[in-house]
Amino acid sequence: DTGVSQNPRHKITKRGQNVTFRCDPISEHNRLYWYRQTLGQGPEFLTYFQNEAQLEKSRLLSDRFSAERPKGSFSTLEIQRTEQGDSAMYLCASSWPEAGTDTQYFGPGTRLTVL
Amino acid sequence: LAKITQPISMDSYEGQEVNITCSHNNIATNDYITWYQQFPSQGPRFIIQGYKTKVTNEVASLFIPADRKSSTLSLPRVSLSDTAVYYCLGSQGGKLIFGQGTELSVKP
Repeated sequence: DTGVSQNPRHKITKRGQNVTFRCDPISEHNRLYWYRQTLGQGPEFLTYFQNEAQLEKSRLLSDRFSAERPKGSFSTLEIQRTEQGDSAMYLCASSWPEAGTDTQYFGPGTRLTVL
Repeated sequence: LAKITQPISMDSYEGQEVNITCSHNNIATNDYITWYQQFPSQGPRFIIQGYKTKVTNEVASLFIPADRKSSTLSLPRVSLSDTAVYYCLGSQGGKLIFGQGTELSVKP
């Protein structure tokens, strides 16, 4: 079990550029979540997948954001036309829901800085 | 949606037991209570989860009274490396709802 991995760990970009982040969940976990965390705040839910189906999207996820999980394994989160307000830590988590619980295991995050 | 309240910060000394209490007055019947630990620039780390009564693992204990309106995370004999932010969470259809957490500072 290698845990949840995220790449890149850090990304610096200029306003208006597009960026893409990747998340590799724990193998055989069928749920994958994306969260965003700004300094001094707890993580905020963005979206989640069960296998390849995107089941829920937060209102925080504007139309500049898109997430995919094409084969039900890894996922990508793309931000188009980045803005300075997009600067944050983007966290991915995965889980295998069972018996009423859904324990999520987080990756190390991708820190995005938009200049 | 459960409204979760926990202290913003706590101080402790090495070797002490630390108890962090979280209030969740209207937690959903099906929700488990989950605690995470987070160090700066890292993702949250799962500590413990429970539904009612007491749960213990190698890291912590979780006490949940019968009414489930609160829960207490107990960290035995803390060390400097336990300095972190601790989040008490409910969930809603799978997604986790984080508050601001409790910033625990352990001093020598």
